[in-house]
Amino acid sequence: SQTIHQWPATLVQPVGSPLSLECTVEGTSNPNLYWYRQAAGRGLQLLFYSVGIGQISSEVPQNLSASRPQDRQFILSSKKLLLSDSGFYLCASTRSSYNSPLHFGNGTRLTVT
Amino acid sequence: GDSVTQMEGPVTLSEEAFLTINCTYTATGYPSLFWYVQYPGEGLQLLLKATKADDKGSNKGFEATYRKETTSFHLEKGSVQVSDSAVYFCALRMYSGGGADGLTFGKGTHLIIQP
Repeated sequence: SQTIHQWPATLVQPVGSPLSLECTVEGTSNPNLYWYRQAAGRGLQLLFYSVGIGQISSEVPQNLSASRPQDRQFILSSKKLLLSDSGFYLCASTRSSYNSPLHFGNGTRLTVT
Repeated sequence: GDSVTQMEGPVTLSEEAFLTINCTYTATGYPSLFWYVQYPGEGLQLLLKATKADDKGSNKGFEATYRKETTSFHLEKGSVQVSDSAVYFCALRMYSGGGADGLTFGKGTHLIIQP
């Protein structure tokens, strides 16, 4: 089965600083990859998804960007963090067939101060 | 568009009580349905799934049946434990041949089990 590695687990960054969160996947090839954000007490918001290397789609306009330099690597970035970027960021992976579930990493808790 | 509606809670129960968390969905076709669980500070874990009408998913004492006629996928457990305290997400997935494949989550239900 798939294993999703995310790091770091927690991060505290000042406003205006850059961000790079990394996600790598084991146990599958050519997965669909996703970045979700979970704000305190709220559900999951899909930020980006990717169906292949270099292919990124954004679901909501925001201060963040994503890249997929390798098949099983997905990176979430920002040039200048805002207070509103604080949250719990989750990377997920799945095969393209409709009955395949998403597999999630353990998440990164980002606090922007 | 596709959507998932679930009770948000918090839902507070005593240990050994019977649990039901309601989930209904709206979809243009026939989705696959999932329940995920999130323990504090962790990512989401797949709890169970069902891929067609009348399928029953089950795991760790939890069950949910795919009801096409009522577009529902309610989560049940006969006797809850303190360790079941977590946030539970209902989700659906459509297959569109590409893109995000219609992944849609409910807002999550916070379950608190008291000893």
